[in-house]
Amino acid sequence: AQTVTQSQPEMSVQEAETVTLSCTYDTSESDYYLFWYKQPPSRQMILVIRQEAYKQQNATENRFSVNFQKAAKSFSLKISDSQLGDAAMYFCAYRSFGGNKLVFGAGTILRVKS
Amino acid sequence: DTAVSQTPKYLVTQMGNDKSIKCEQNLGHDTMYWYKQDSKKFLKIMFSYNNKELIINETVPNRFSPKSPDKAHLNLHINSLELGDSAVYFCASSQEGTSAYEQYFGPGTRLTVT
Repeated sequence: AQTVTQSQPEMSVQEAETVTLSCTYDTSESDYYLFWYKQPPSRQMILVIRQEAYKQQNATENRFSVNFQKAAKSFSLKISDSQLGDAAMYFCAYRSFGGNKLVFGAGTILRVKS
Repeated sequence: DTAVSQTPKYLVTQMGNDKSIKCEQNLGHDTMYWYKQDSKKFLKIMFSYNNKELIINETVPNRFSPKSPDKAHLNLHINSLELGDSAVYFCASSQEGTSAYEQYFGPGTRLTVT
């Protein structure tokens, strides 16, 4: 069974600075998808970024980018120019290619200081 | 228009009662899910339906019964509620066969059992 580990229960960043959230996963599959979801206090789950394992190029969405290291089974999220609105719980998630369910990590609370 | 909607958003009830949570998606997706987020914010899949057919049932007590009257709706009925059922329940949907395999989440239903 696949597992996802987020080793940082909580992180803080100063507004306008850069922060990196860590995620590692365990799988024996070669094809899969990885996601970062954001959950603000409103509790709505918002997709931040996704990465297909067969793509070597790291995904980027505006201020959000990932560092995908397939051999190391690592999928970190970098947030540049942090904003107060980035404060939320961030979840890393794994999905098998051809599978249906998302397997989530335990989440990282991100606090942004002004 | 809300893509994935859930009713109610809050539900407070007593132990032993039976309750239902409704979910509707207007994205035209063919797959729907129920996830449970516990008090420690951990998210876990409960069920998945594809075109009204159950495809995932993750060792959930049989007090929980999903029902999919059509592919746009997936309801969750819970019998004999227990204190441990208190959680936030998220409905999600996706379209299988697309490259993204993204899941879109509803706003969640916070269930409190007293």
